[in-house]
Amino acid sequence: TQLLEQSPQFLSIQEGENLTVYCNSSSVFSSLQWYRQEPGEGPVLLVTVVTGGEVKKLKRLTFQFGDARKDSSLHITAAQPGDTGLYLCAGVAETSGSRLTFGEGTQLTVNP
Amino acid sequence: GAGVSQSPSNKVTEKGKDVELRCDPISGHTALYWYRQSLGQGLEFLIYFQGNSAPDKSGLPSDRFSAERTGGSVSTLTIQRTQQEDSAVYLCASSWDATTGNEQFFGPGTRLTVL
Repeated sequence: TQLLEQSPQFLSIQEGENLTVYCNSSSVFSSLQWYRQEPGEGPVLLVTVVTGGEVKKLKRLTFQFGDARKDSSLHITAAQPGDTGLYLCAGVAETSGSRLTFGEGTQLTVNP
Repeated sequence: GAGVSQSPSNKVTEKGKDVELRCDPISGHTALYWYRQSLGQGLEFLIYFQGNSAPDKSGLPSDRFSAERTGGSVSTLTIQRTQQEDSAVYLCASSWDATTGNEQFFGPGTRLTVL
């Protein structure tokens, strides 16, 4: 059983469209992070959210942490081909000490 | 100011052979993590080291896997008697410490192929 469920697993859209990626769990998380990974490279941190209901914006990316700290979403506005990559959510469950658990990832392709 | 480095970048081995994967963390980072990633998938936690504390080995999939961290810096992940299912990208990450929410900086990974 996956502790963090990400959806969708694959997403292919046209440039200029909006999209949302979801990360859900039945567990409560002390913090949740979103990473982006390109082929042949390690993941790179985009944002960390720690407070229930928190919303953070990074240019065209909006991250939200659920009120109960069990879920998160990543919304991209006006997607561009440069946004293509594997998006991973990762969290520290309250019961797991400081161990980071990753979701399965969402492979996003933005077509020009 | 170099980032996390890993070597080799690619390793092809025959089933049954032992392999060693190396990770050089960012200088000053006390926490070091190893993960395994199958093609296009999320990361599977293997082990992490925090300072001089005993490592958390709870993610190691079998006793063929072991890791050590010498002098609080460089780490080596060893896989003995490799199997085809061990084929994956092995990623190393480091952070200032293992505090909740602390950013992990990842290396580029070692792609292991077991024939």
